[in-house]
Amino acid sequence: EVHLVESGGGLVQPGGSLRLSCVASESTFSDDAMNWVRQAPGKGLEWVSYISSRSRTIDYADSVRGRFTISRDNAKNSLFLQMNSLRVEDTAVYYCARVIDAFLGYYGMDVWGQGTTVTIAS
Amino acid sequence: DIQMTQSPSSLSASVGDRVTITCRASQGIRNSLAWYQQKPGKAPKLLLFAASKLGSGVPSRFSGSGSGTDYTLTISSLQPEDFATYYCQHYFGTPYNFGQGTKLEIK
Repeated sequence: EVHLVESGGGLVQPGGSLRLSCVASESTFSDDAMNWVRQAPGKGLEWVSYISSRSRTIDYADSVRGRFTISRDNAKNSLFLQMNSLRVEDTAVYYCARVIDAFLGYYGMDVWGQGTTVTIAS
Repeated sequence: DIQMTQSPSSLSASVGDRVTITCRASQGIRNSLAWYQQKPGKAPKLLLFAASKLGSGVPSRFSGSGSGTDYTLTISSLQPEDFATYYCQHYFGTPYNFGQGTKLEIK
């Protein structure tokens, strides 16, 4: 069973940057499309970004487009989220999550990390 | 963008009850729908995908149905571990929006 472990969260001032990482426990990571999803304190889930298995397809929520960049290194079983120009409203727990099966069109998420907390405050 | 509206926002029920949560999409999503369960301080857990397919290891008391714009999650007989918040999410193109959540509480 694959496990995902996020890291890189922390406290940053508005306008700052952070880079989140997500490491998968199995080499099958290179076959999997991935997402980042966030959850602000006391709020619901918000999809943030998607990347296909070979990085050919990438997309973002409008709320982060132009500020966040998703990427991956399949050789290192790793997913990243570079977050720039951070705002107070980006404060949230950030989860990485595996797409069920992009080839079959099942873009729901079946494996989630434990989350990493990002706090934007002065 | 496709918006997802869940109802009710909260629900009180007892162990053994049958519970139904509804999710409505702002346009047809061709069964491209997943349901998740989330407990406080934990990551979401996949329950169902493709509207009615059970996720791995999910008990059979959970079921999903629907078509077009309207979908339901049913728990046939509530167990103590089922009290949590439930979210629907469409994946009929990005952005993969979630519903606002339904908090299921013990009566």
